[in-house]
Parts: sequence; C-alpha cells; structure tokens
Amino acid sequence: DAKTTQPPSMDCAEGRAANLPCNHSTISGNEYVYWYRQIHSQGPQYIIHGLKNNETNEMASLIITEDRKSSTLILPHATLRDTAVYYCIVRVYGGATNKLIFGTGTLLAVQP
Amino acid sequence: EAGVAQSPRYKIIEKRQSVAFWCNPISGHATLYWYQQILGQGPKLLIQFQNNGVVDDSQLPKDRFSAERLKGVDSTLKIQPAKLEDSAVYLCASSPTSAMLGEQYFGPGTRLTVT
Repeated sequence: DAKTTQPPSMDCAEGRAANLPCNHSTISGNEYVYWYRQIHSQGPQYIIHGLKNNETNEMASLIITEDRKSSTLILPHATLRDTAVYYCIVRVYGGATNKLIFGTGTLLAVQP
Repeated sequence: EAGVAQSPRYKIIEKRQSVAFWCNPISGHATLYWYQQILGQGPKLLIQFQNNGVVDDSQLPKDRFSAERLKGVDSTLKIQPAKLEDSAVYLCASSPTSAMLGEQYFGPGTRLTVT
C-alpha cells in the first residue's frame, strides 16, 4: 500500500471549515483514499473514502486532485467535537486482508 | 446497533505476568481485527480473523502473543509473558464479510500498562 504524508498538527476556529491535506504521490491506480479519525480515548472512526471523484457524506467532503497524488478532507463547519487525530490511508479496494495501515495522522485542534 | 465491546478498559500488570483481553464484535460481522496502538503512533494490525480462521498474523509477536476466535464470534488476545514495551492500547475492530470498502468499526480499546 502507498505511503501517505500528513502535517502533524493543525488548528481551526470553531464554525470555520477545516481543510486537512494528505500527500500520496506514489498511489497506484487501484488504490483508494480513506480517512479515519480518532477522538481522544476512543477507537478510530471511519469518515469517508474515494478513488478519483470528489465525495461528500454527512460528515465531510473529500477532494482528490486530478493526478491523485494528494487529497484534502474538508469538515465544512468544525465544532469542538471534531478535535481528533485524522488519518489518511490508501489501500487497494477489496484487498485480500482488508488491512488498514495507519500513519501518525494530523492532530486537528478546533479552537473556541 | 451495539458497537464493538472490549474489556477490560484498563489493565496494569508487572512485567513477566500474563494478561488477556476480550472482544465482542458487532453482531453478524465475520471479520475481526486486533490492533496495537503505542502512544503517539497510529494503530498497527496484529491479527485478522475471518470467522474463526486467521487471515493475517504477520505482525503478531508469536513468541508471547496469542489470539483465538472460537465459534467465529468473540475473541481473546493474550500476552504471556508481558514486557515493558507491550504498554499500549489494544483495539479490536470488526467488519462485515462484504466490507470490501475498508470500513472497520472499532471498539474503545484496552489500555495496558506494564510496570
């Protein structure tokens, strides 16, 4: 699975959009981009995934560049409860072991 | 729908002692995972079960760690004997058989401290 690079930490004002970048320059054509987050003292939580088209769900939007070498997770109106570590992961769709390889992620701190 | 249950939530033991963690996945989920998360790092997969069979245990330190999933439902992870470097949060996750998508559901974890 391809390696990802994320900034170690970011701040965001409550009510503003939080834009979390992820670099995955070695991504393969059959690898998807997944985002999970981990709130303090909880297990990771799935947010969203995509291949090459932009995706949106009730939690967030995922913007993937045309060359697929980077992506941005957007939380449109961040709240204090969105303070968490956000993990960007790339993996093959339907891979045999369904393995998720977590990096160190980005600690997003939403400020009041 | 009930989530993934784990117990205990916290455990403190001395090195060379043994410890066991229990996980009950979401009902109907055929795939179960155990992860180890050391402070400041992302979770690392230790072992993956599909029903009661092992799919991937390449990262499991088999000289001291063991895991089983009898009857394809609950699972236990055991460490014997524990070392200081085993201090971590042990996370259990599950997913349905059809989860090609990589969506896994995690429990709250067990925080192990080895002194």
